[in-house]
Amino acid sequence: GENVEQHPSTLSVQEGDSAVIKCTYSDSASNYFPWYKQELGKGPQLIIDIRSNVGEKKDQRIAVTLNKTAKHFSLHITETQPEDSAVYFCAASTGTASKLTFGTGTRLQVTL
Amino acid sequence: GAVVSQHPSWVICKSGTSVKIECRSLDFQATTMFWYRQFPKQSLMLMATSNEGSKATYEQGVEKDKFLINHASLTLSTLTVTSAHPEDSSFYICSARKGQDEKLFFGSGTQLSVL
Repeated sequence: GENVEQHPSTLSVQEGDSAVIKCTYSDSASNYFPWYKQELGKGPQLIIDIRSNVGEKKDQRIAVTLNKTAKHFSLHITETQPEDSAVYFCAASTGTASKLTFGTGTRLQVTL
Repeated sequence: GAVVSQHPSWVICKSGTSVKIECRSLDFQATTMFWYRQFPKQSLMLMATSNEGSKATYEQGVEKDKFLINHASLTLSTLTVTSAHPEDSSFYICSARKGQDEKLFFGSGTQLSVL
């Protein structure tokens, strides 16, 4: 089955700096890669996703890049703000009929 | 939008009792819903996949008689933790797939504490 690794497990940045979280996946058939933000005591919230036919996608301060050859994808957050502090999960799936496999999570802390 | 409502948000129960958690898709029809369990500072662990009108598919190691899942309509799935014990204490989260889209939308989670 699919295996998704995520690094780093914790990340501390100063407000205004950029944050990068990286994930690798094992199943070359995976074609959908979402990123979720989870605040304490809440369910995950979809923040951005990318499909395998696209190399990069951007939404305001958030961007995701995908390298299919290397089987890795990354989340980039620019101009970080304190409200970006949360746990971020990457995930991968092979299509609409399949389940998501989650990474182990990255705890991002944005300090003033 | 795609809103998934989960209820209750937290529940405390005595050992041996059963607890039901509801998951509703408020503004879309969800042919498939998923139930996850999450321990503190850990990732989401898929427990089962629930399709409307059919039996749930459980992941390896998840007791189907312990965690009863019912997906009676296109907008409602329930998870019942039967004869709960302290080791069942956890954060349970549901998610729903909107039609044939790959996107999954999550509920707000239920914190279960079994005394």
